[in-house]
Amino acid sequence: GEEVAQTPKHLVRGEGQKAKLYCAPIKGHSYVFWYQQVLKNEFKFLISFQNENVFDETGMPKERFSAKCLPNSPCSLEIQATKLEDSAVYFCASSQSWGESTDTQYFGPGTRLTVL
Amino acid sequence: AQSVAQPEDQVNVAEGNPLTVKCTYSVSGNPYLFWYVQYPNRGLQFLLKYITGDNLVKGSYGFEAEFNKSQTSFHLKKPSALVSDSALYFCAVRDILYGKLTFGQGTILTVHP
Repeated sequence: GEEVAQTPKHLVRGEGQKAKLYCAPIKGHSYVFWYQQVLKNEFKFLISFQNENVFDETGMPKERFSAKCLPNSPCSLEIQATKLEDSAVYFCASSQSWGESTDTQYFGPGTRLTVL
Repeated sequence: AQSVAQPEDQVNVAEGNPLTVKCTYSVSGNPYLFWYVQYPNRGLQFLLKYITGDNLVKGSYGFEAEFNKSQTSFHLKKPSALVSDSALYFCAVRDILYGKLTFGQGTILTVHP
């Protein structure tokens, strides 16, 4: 598609429950990035993919967070055993490739996760 | 480590007046700088970017940004503000090796009629 799609829009989980978020990048884009936006608008990078391969996972809290990008499927971000501090808006972005003219990241509308 | 600072939490301007939203950066090497805008309950929309070339970059919706290497700044500007420009604006710098964006803390722009 022409836009990054994210589902669901809103997700409510009780503490300790699992949460799974999905992202469909723009068609033809090879790179996918996940960011977390928390209180006071702070953005935190989580993980990126080049096609189905992890590109950079330096921001991932590895204990409870995992992510995948499989061929012909939306990318996913999964949080096992959610905690209150996981409440945030999770954004996915995609970019076409690696180069000066094609490296712009285009963002999806986000998934708002509320952990109760 | 690279970083971006937006020194103003809020900027208020009257409609029709010029606006400036400030951004300073700290990187080792050449900076790759971006401006995004976020409307309430929406994702980030790309406005413009500086990679190399002219120091004055033109972008969407009449916005432009001036790259100043000596002052390590990348201020967003618009000659005549509109009420519809009211939103949250983010400056970001791209990691050279892996492309992740590091964002500033955001500036709320309010344009008064």
